[in-house]
Amino acid sequence: GEDVEQSLFLSVREGDSSVINCTYTDSSSTYLYWYKQEPGAGLQLLTYIFSNMDMKQDQRLTVLLNKKDKHLSLRIADTQTGDSAIYFCAERGTGGYNKLIFGAGTRLAVHP
Amino acid sequence: KAGVTQTPRYLIKTRGQQVTLSCSPISGHRSVSWYQQTPGQGLQFLFEYFSETQRNKGNFPGRFSGRQFSNSRSEMNVSTLELGDSALYLCASSLGRQNEKLFFGSGTQLSVL
Repeated sequence: GEDVEQSLFLSVREGDSSVINCTYTDSSSTYLYWYKQEPGAGLQLLTYIFSNMDMKQDQRLTVLLNKKDKHLSLRIADTQTGDSAIYFCAERGTGGYNKLIFGAGTRLAVHP
Repeated sequence: KAGVTQTPRYLIKTRGQQVTLSCSPISGHRSVSWYQQTPGQGLQFLFEYFSETQRNKGNFPGRFSGRQFSNSRSEMNVSTLELGDSALYLCASSLGRQNEKLFFGSGTQLSVL
Protein backbone atom coordinates (compact mmCIF):
# COMPACT_ATOMS: atom_id res chain seq x y z
CA GLY A 1 0.00 0.00 0.00
CA GLU A 2 0.90 3.63 -0.01
CA ASP A 3 3.16 4.69 2.81
CA VAL A 4 5.57 7.51 3.53
CA GLU A 5 8.05 7.25 6.39
CA GLN A 6 10.11 9.92 8.09
CA SER A 7 12.26 10.13 11.18
CA LEU A 8 10.35 11.98 13.89
CA PHE A 9 12.88 14.36 15.36
CA LEU A 10 16.01 16.28 14.36
CA SER A 11 18.00 18.72 16.45
CA VAL A 12 20.62 21.00 14.89
CA ARG A 13 22.71 23.98 15.89
CA GLU A 14 21.93 27.34 14.35
CA GLY A 15 24.06 27.88 11.24
CA ASP A 16 24.51 24.16 10.55
CA SER A 17 22.83 22.25 7.74
CA SER A 18 19.77 20.12 8.42
CA VAL A 19 18.96 16.98 6.45
CA ILE A 20 15.48 15.49 6.72
CA ASN A 21 14.94 12.09 5.17
CA CYS A 22 11.88 10.36 3.78
CA THR A 23 11.09 7.06 2.10
CA TYR A 24 8.00 6.41 0.01
CA THR A 25 6.43 3.34 -1.53
CA ASP A 26 4.60 4.30 -4.71
CA SER A 27 7.11 4.10 -7.55
CA SER A 28 4.60 5.70 -9.88
CA SER A 29 4.58 8.94 -7.90
CA THR A 30 5.29 11.73 -10.34
CA TYR A 31 5.71 14.57 -7.87
CA LEU A 32 7.04 14.53 -4.32
CA TYR A 33 6.55 17.42 -1.95
CA TRP A 34 7.94 19.00 1.17
CA TYR A 35 5.63 20.99 3.41
CA LYS A 36 6.39 22.98 6.56
CA GLN A 37 4.03 23.42 9.49
CA GLU A 38 4.62 25.93 12.25
CA PRO A 39 2.73 25.74 15.56
CA GLY A 40 -0.94 26.56 15.17
CA ALA A 41 -0.67 27.00 11.43
CA GLY A 42 -1.57 25.16 8.25
CA LEU A 43 0.85 23.61 5.80
CA GLN A 44 3.20 25.73 3.75
CA LEU A 45 4.51 24.25 0.50
CA LEU A 46 8.29 24.54 0.62
CA THR A 47 9.37 22.80 -2.53
CA TYR A 48 8.63 19.84 -4.76
CA ILE A 49 10.49 17.65 -7.20
CA PHE A 50 9.39 15.84 -10.32
CA SER A 51 10.23 12.15 -10.37
CA ASN A 52 12.51 12.41 -13.41
CA MET A 53 14.83 14.76 -11.52
CA ASP A 54 17.63 13.81 -9.14
CA MET A 55 18.06 17.15 -7.47
CA LYS A 56 16.39 20.49 -7.13
CA GLN A 57 17.83 23.57 -5.45
CA ASP A 58 15.81 26.54 -4.28
CA GLN A 59 17.80 29.10 -2.29
CA ARG A 60 18.70 27.42 1.03
CA LEU A 61 16.73 24.28 0.19
CA THR A 62 18.10 21.29 -1.72
CA VAL A 63 15.96 18.26 -2.52
CA LEU A 64 17.62 14.99 -3.46
CA LEU A 65 15.68 12.11 -4.98
CA ASN A 66 16.90 8.53 -5.26
CA LYS A 67 14.15 6.91 -7.25
CA LYS A 68 15.74 3.45 -7.16
CA ASP A 69 15.69 3.42 -3.35
CA LYS A 70 12.50 5.55 -3.14
CA HIS A 71 14.36 7.95 -0.89
CA LEU A 72 13.83 11.68 -0.70
CA SER A 73 15.76 14.19 1.37
CA LEU A 74 15.48 17.87 2.17
CA ARG A 75 18.62 19.79 3.06
CA ILE A 76 18.32 23.20 4.68
CA ALA A 77 21.54 25.16 4.55
CA ASP A 78 22.48 27.65 7.28
CA THR A 79 19.57 26.58 9.48
CA GLN A 80 18.01 29.40 11.48
CA THR A 81 15.76 29.41 14.55
CA GLY A 82 12.89 30.42 12.26
CA ASP A 83 13.26 27.05 10.54
CA SER A 84 12.06 25.29 13.70
CA ALA A 85 8.87 23.54 12.62
CA ILE A 86 7.49 20.18 11.53
CA TYR A 87 8.43 19.12 8.01
CA PHE A 88 6.23 16.75 6.03
CA CYS A 89 7.18 14.71 3.04
CA ALA A 90 4.27 13.79 0.72
CA GLU A 91 3.65 11.75 -2.38
CA ARG A 92 0.63 11.79 -4.61
CA GLY A 93 -1.65 8.85 -3.86
CA THR A 94 -3.35 6.55 -6.32
CA GLY A 95 -6.41 8.08 -7.87
CA GLY A 96 -4.30 11.06 -8.78
CA TYR A 97 -5.32 14.65 -8.53
CA ASN A 98 -5.06 16.08 -5.06
CA LYS A 99 -4.89 13.09 -2.77
CA LEU A 100 -1.54 13.37 -1.04
CA ILE A 101 -0.06 10.74 1.25
CA PHE A 102 1.90 12.40 4.05
CA GLY A 103 4.61 11.12 6.30
CA ALA A 104 4.26 11.55 10.06
CA GLY A 105 6.42 14.67 9.98
CA THR A 106 9.90 15.45 11.26
CA ARG A 107 10.10 17.96 14.09
CA LEU A 108 13.16 20.16 13.52
CA ALA A 109 14.53 21.92 16.60
CA VAL A 110 17.17 24.58 16.03
CA HIS A 111 19.22 25.62 19.04
CA PRO A 112 21.81 28.37 19.45
CA LYS B 1 -3.94 37.39 -3.90
CA ALA B 2 -5.73 36.08 -0.82
CA GLY B 3 -4.83 32.61 0.35
CA VAL B 4 -7.09 29.74 1.33
CA THR B 5 -9.51 30.88 4.02
CA GLN B 6 -11.05 28.51 6.53
CA THR B 7 -13.74 29.39 9.02
CA PRO B 8 -14.20 29.14 11.88
CA ARG B 9 -10.69 28.89 13.30
CA TYR B 10 -11.82 27.03 16.42
CA LEU B 11 -14.91 25.00 17.27
CA ILE B 12 -16.02 23.23 20.39
CA LYS B 13 -18.84 20.71 20.11
CA THR B 14 -20.23 17.86 22.17
CA ARG B 15 -20.66 14.24 21.19
CA GLY B 16 -23.64 13.57 18.97
CA GLN B 17 -23.78 17.07 17.52
CA GLN B 18 -23.00 17.92 13.94
CA VAL B 19 -20.65 20.54 12.58
CA THR B 20 -20.06 22.39 9.31
CA LEU B 21 -16.69 23.79 8.31
CA SER B 22 -16.12 26.24 5.49
CA CYS B 23 -13.30 26.74 3.02
CA SER B 24 -12.82 29.49 0.44
CA PRO B 25 -10.12 28.59 -2.09
CA ILE B 26 -7.66 30.89 -3.77
CA SER B 27 -9.36 32.91 -6.47
CA GLY B 28 -9.42 30.96 -9.71
CA HIS B 29 -8.84 27.60 -8.04
CA ARG B 30 -11.51 25.03 -8.80
CA SER B 31 -10.32 22.10 -6.68
CA VAL B 32 -10.77 21.89 -2.94
CA SER B 33 -9.44 19.01 -0.86
CA TRP B 34 -9.98 18.29 2.81
CA TYR B 35 -7.55 16.65 5.22
CA GLN B 36 -7.81 15.61 8.85
CA GLN B 37 -4.76 16.00 11.09
CA THR B 38 -4.54 14.21 14.45
CA PRO B 39 -1.55 13.40 16.67
CA GLY B 40 -2.23 9.69 16.33
CA GLN B 41 -3.08 9.28 12.66
CA GLY B 42 -1.26 12.26 11.18
CA LEU B 43 -2.56 13.84 8.00
CA GLN B 44 -5.24 11.88 6.23
CA PHE B 45 -7.09 12.69 3.02
CA LEU B 46 -10.86 13.05 3.38
CA PHE B 47 -12.11 14.01 -0.07
CA GLU B 48 -11.65 16.32 -3.02
CA TYR B 49 -14.16 18.39 -4.93
CA PHE B 50 -13.75 19.79 -8.41
CA SER B 51 -16.42 21.76 -10.26
CA GLU B 52 -19.00 20.85 -7.62
CA THR B 53 -18.35 17.10 -7.96
CA GLN B 54 -16.56 14.79 -5.56
CA ARG B 55 -13.58 13.51 -7.51
CA ASN B 56 -11.75 11.44 -4.92
CA LYS B 57 -12.52 10.08 -1.48
CA GLY B 58 -10.49 8.76 1.43
CA ASN B 59 -11.35 6.03 3.93
CA PHE B 60 -13.64 7.85 6.29
CA PRO B 61 -17.14 6.88 7.43
CA GLY B 62 -20.23 8.34 5.83
CA ARG B 63 -20.61 10.76 8.74
CA PHE B 64 -18.05 12.86 6.92
CA SER B 65 -19.47 14.60 3.88
CA GLY B 66 -18.80 17.64 1.82
CA ARG B 67 -19.99 19.76 -1.00
CA GLN B 68 -18.76 22.45 -3.30
CA PHE B 69 -20.62 25.45 -4.58
CA SER B 70 -20.52 27.08 -7.99
CA ASN B 71 -18.07 29.71 -6.71
CA SER B 72 -15.71 26.85 -5.67
CA ARG B 73 -16.23 27.45 -1.97
CA SER B 74 -16.55 24.18 -0.10
CA GLU B 75 -18.13 22.99 3.11
CA MET B 76 -17.41 19.89 5.09
CA ASN B 77 -19.96 18.37 7.44
CA VAL B 78 -19.47 15.87 10.22
CA SER B 79 -22.60 14.39 11.75
CA THR B 80 -23.01 12.54 15.04
CA LEU B 81 -19.68 13.74 16.35
CA GLU B 82 -17.44 11.35 18.26
CA LEU B 83 -14.55 12.17 20.58
CA GLY B 84 -12.14 10.81 17.98
CA ASP B 85 -13.25 13.45 15.50
CA SER B 86 -11.29 16.04 17.48
CA ALA B 87 -8.67 17.20 15.00
CA LEU B 88 -7.31 19.99 12.88
CA TYR B 89 -9.22 20.01 9.60
CA LEU B 90 -7.24 21.44 6.74
CA CYS B 91 -8.49 22.56 3.38
CA ALA B 92 -6.30 22.84 0.30
CA SER B 93 -6.96 24.38 -3.06
CA SER B 94 -5.48 24.08 -6.53
CA LEU B 95 -6.42 24.80 -10.10
CA GLY B 96 -7.54 21.19 -10.42
CA ARG B 97 -5.18 19.75 -12.99
CA GLN B 98 -2.98 16.71 -12.44
CA ASN B 99 0.19 16.97 -10.38
CA GLU B 100 -0.28 20.46 -9.12
CA LYS B 101 0.80 22.26 -6.03
CA LEU B 102 -1.70 22.32 -3.21
CA PHE B 103 -2.06 25.43 -1.09
CA PHE B 104 -3.39 24.91 2.42
CA GLY B 105 -5.41 27.07 4.73
CA SER B 106 -4.66 27.52 8.44
CA GLY B 107 -7.26 24.95 9.38
CA THR B 108 -10.20 24.62 11.73
CA GLN B 109 -9.39 23.14 15.13
CA LEU B 110 -12.37 21.03 16.20
CA SER B 111 -12.66 19.83 19.79
CA VAL B 112 -15.36 17.30 20.63
CA LEU B 113 -16.20 17.05 24.34
